[in-house]
Amino acid sequence: SAVISQKPSRDICQRGTSLTIQCQVDSQVTMMFWYRQQPGQSLTLIATANQGSEATYESGFVIDKFPISRPNLTFSTLTVSNMSPEDSSIYLCSATSGGSYGYTFGSGTRLTVV
Amino acid sequence: QQPVQSPQAVILREGEDAVINCSSSKALYSVHWYRQKHGEAPVFLMILLKGGEQKGHEKISASFNEKKQQSSLYLTASQLSYSGTYFCGTPVEGNLIFGKGTKLSVKP
Repeated sequence: SAVISQKPSRDICQRGTSLTIQCQVDSQVTMMFWYRQQPGQSLTLIATANQGSEATYESGFVIDKFPISRPNLTFSTLTVSNMSPEDSSIYLCSATSGGSYGYTFGSGTRLTVV
Repeated sequence: QQPVQSPQAVILREGEDAVINCSSSKALYSVHWYRQKHGEAPVFLMILLKGGEQKGHEKISASFNEKKQQSSLYLTASQLSYSGTYFCGTPVEGNLIFGKGTKLSVKP
């Protein structure tokens, strides 16, 4: 299965600033996703990162707040813009080749906004 | 659309068995199972693609009944390493939506 490198692993940011999270997969994958997880909670899908086109966002998430890029099949970035303390969470990158393959997750980025 | 998991939490002694259930109000074509240990990323356990299919991973197996729109994860002779939160995930319009999770604690 694919191996995902995600960075940074954690950051403490000032409100009003932006943070870009990078996700690198070691092999070509069909689909890449970004999830958010509050400690002790389930994973909430933010968006599907589409290669070469605009990401597809879930209800409650918008491109201006969470711009996503996927310039090729193995790399994606998620930016958390104009941060507020409510954005404090763990952000996870995920990838799959579909079919009978499961999802592989990056190690996550623990974001604290102060 | 979020699948419903039960129980929310379970505490076991080493060697005991447990069952975690996952059900959906929508038609299911596949079910994923993941385990997440504290402070780590979720790890894929297995995917079930056919009705009535069973699969195994170590001493962990699962069944999937697409007619009943439910899946069950069976943990046999539990080990300390089985502790963690187990999530089922069901595809919704091509995206994987996760249940709220079942926290499993295995005590010596």
